[in-house]
Amino acid sequence: EDQVTQSPEALRLQEGESSSLNCSYTVSGLRGLFWYRQDPGKGPEFLFTLYSAGEEKEKERLKATLTKKESFLHITAPKPEDSATYLCAVQATDNAGNMLTFGGGTRLMVKP
Amino acid sequence: DSGVTQTPKHLITATGQRVTLRCSPRSGDLSVYWYQQSLDQGLQFLIQYYNGEERAKGNILERFSAQQFPDLHSELNLSSLELGDSALYFCASSGGLMRNEQFFGPGTRLTVL
Repeated sequence: EDQVTQSPEALRLQEGESSSLNCSYTVSGLRGLFWYRQDPGKGPEFLFTLYSAGEEKEKERLKATLTKKESFLHITAPKPEDSATYLCAVQATDNAGNMLTFGGGTRLMVKP
Repeated sequence: DSGVTQTPKHLITATGQRVTLRCSPRSGDLSVYWYQQSLDQGLQFLIQYYNGEERAKGNILERFSAQQFPDLHSELNLSSLELGDSALYFCASSGGLMRNEQFFGPGTRLTVL
């Protein structure tokens, strides 16, 4: 069974204080690893897809990296508007469709 | 705005009732997915349709059913509702079968009283 574990559950940062969010996964074969941002009461917003170990993707203050066991979302000099829940999900090669298995998320709060 | 639309935004109903949630995918997307998000279970995959055909099933209850119509919009039917069915229901769409990103709609918040 595919499993995704995110840590920490919650993270408080001061504006400008860089940090990383962790996503550990267990999957028989990885088709893709996805990062989403979710604001309260809204739908998840797509950020990145990573397909193979060693791959990195960047967008503004966010950078996602992937190894064979985990992915990191690095946040550089965060701003209050980066406050949200960040979700990690995996897509396995052995499922007939493209279902995503999500982790529990990391709730990020950035204080000015 | 992801391009995925869902109606209604909010739904309040009583136990034992039946409701229908509607989703329109992004223009050109053939796959539609339904997910349930509750406080204790997180985001859980329910079911996927591709071009009108059921493609994959998750832990969807027998009281729940879905379909995708020829114009590619999808409906999720929830019947014999229980208090525990209260949750956010999201629809997502993607362009194809292989390794495609899923784009989520704004969700329908269902409250069962």
